[in-house]
Amino acid sequence: ILNVEQSPQSLHVQEGDSTNFTCSFPSSNFYALHWYRWETAKSPEALFVMTLNGDEKKKGRISATLNTKEGYSYLYIKGSQPEDSATYLCALCSNDYKLSFGAGTTVTVRA
Amino acid sequence: EAGVAQSPRYKIIEKRQSVAFWCNPISGHATLYWYQQILGQGPKLLIQFQNNGVVDDSQLPKDRFSAERLKGVDSTLKIQPAKLEDSAVYLCASSPTLAASYNEQFFGPGTRLTVL
Repeated sequence: ILNVEQSPQSLHVQEGDSTNFTCSFPSSNFYALHWYRWETAKSPEALFVMTLNGDEKKKGRISATLNTKEGYSYLYIKGSQPEDSATYLCALCSNDYKLSFGAGTTVTVRA
Repeated sequence: EAGVAQSPRYKIIEKRQSVAFWCNPISGHATLYWYQQILGQGPKLLIQFQNNGVVDDSQLPKDRFSAERLKGVDSTLKIQPAKLEDSAVYLCASSPTLAASYNEQFFGPGTRLTVL
């Protein structure tokens, strides 16, 4: 089990504003980092899988970066919309392909 | 492609009662997972199946929890008897192979269990 921390635990954003939050981990001894989005009453869905230091991924207004040397990943939401309201989970895939999840960052976008 | 199905979506029971959850993974996915997510925490792996065999159940409280995956498809997770601390969301996930996309998993909507 890998130690994964996410901050902040929750945040409120005004519609149209951009925001970002962090996933941090103490070790670079893992295969990949996953980001999932979990909307209320729905299934968690995969956003990104990142493996290399310096990786950057983008899907629409959401993007993520990975820094394995300093042990963090950022997820950015540009021009937040109400449909971005969700809990964003970060998970590390260890060498035995187990996923260790952080507690998540819950984003609420206010219209 | 149909996603991972779970039922029931919500369940309220009293402590010491029994409860069972059902999961139908994506067709063809060999690996199936049950996670427990307690409020304020990340999902914690309870048990992992590869086809119909158990790969990892090290974090399953075996005195009260049991799980099976008959014929390598559907799975059930049972709690007997339930305790207050079992209140959580129980997520089922599946993946085609461990190496595919570094074990990207496909999740069901979860079962929210409240133990009174």
